[in-house]
Amino acid sequence: DTAVSQTPKYLVTQMGNDKSIKCEQNLGHDTMYWYKQDSKKFLKIMFSYNNKELIINETVPNRFSPKSPDKAHLNLHINSLELGDSAVYFCASSQTGSGNQPQHFGDGTRLSIL
Amino acid sequence: AQTVTQSQPEMSVQEAETVTLSCTYDTSESDYYLFWYKQPPSRQMILVIRQEAYKQQNATENRFSVNFQKAAKSFSLKISDSQLGDAAMYFCAYIENSGYALNFGKGTSLLVTP
Repeated sequence: DTAVSQTPKYLVTQMGNDKSIKCEQNLGHDTMYWYKQDSKKFLKIMFSYNNKELIINETVPNRFSPKSPDKAHLNLHINSLELGDSAVYFCASSQTGSGNQPQHFGDGTRLSIL
Repeated sequence: AQTVTQSQPEMSVQEAETVTLSCTYDTSESDYYLFWYKQPPSRQMILVIRQEAYKQQNATENRFSVNFQKAAKSFSLKISDSQLGDAAMYFCAYIENSGYALNFGKGTSLLVTP
């Protein structure tokens, strides 16, 4: 059983398109996250949600819109894709947002913009 | 803002030998947590070990141990009896107790040679 699952694993699309990445966790966690890993492998937080409420929006362009329909899901919708959006996007979850709760990561979605 | 520095972009170790990966961090907080994550070529983010700042005792998980020096803000990872499967990117990460976002270092690529 996959704890944090993301779909799709790979996404290739053209500049200007709109795309979504889905994330689901079956761990019963309250908090979910999106991280971006750039071409140099640097990982940076994008969003944190706790019980469907946005906690952190880390200076992400408003072309990125997370949606949390329930505690188990946190989807990422990206409008008007740009070349710089090419990256690996990781979803993660933790029991709570407290630092003492380890974050469990999905396998990532590699987004390639042509 | 908290920063995490991994000064070794690449390290190499022979099978069965021991290697130490360095990490320093900057914070004014007293209550926080530190983690090492492993990212193999498969792209998964795997939690290796974690350390609570309030604990003086260094964390250990099988062949993995840390040297946590709170005053020096240093958190190094020691891998003993290195195995080929240890080859991966290793990320040091910091999070405050109030949480909600891991701050990652830029990673160290570990090569294990037979």
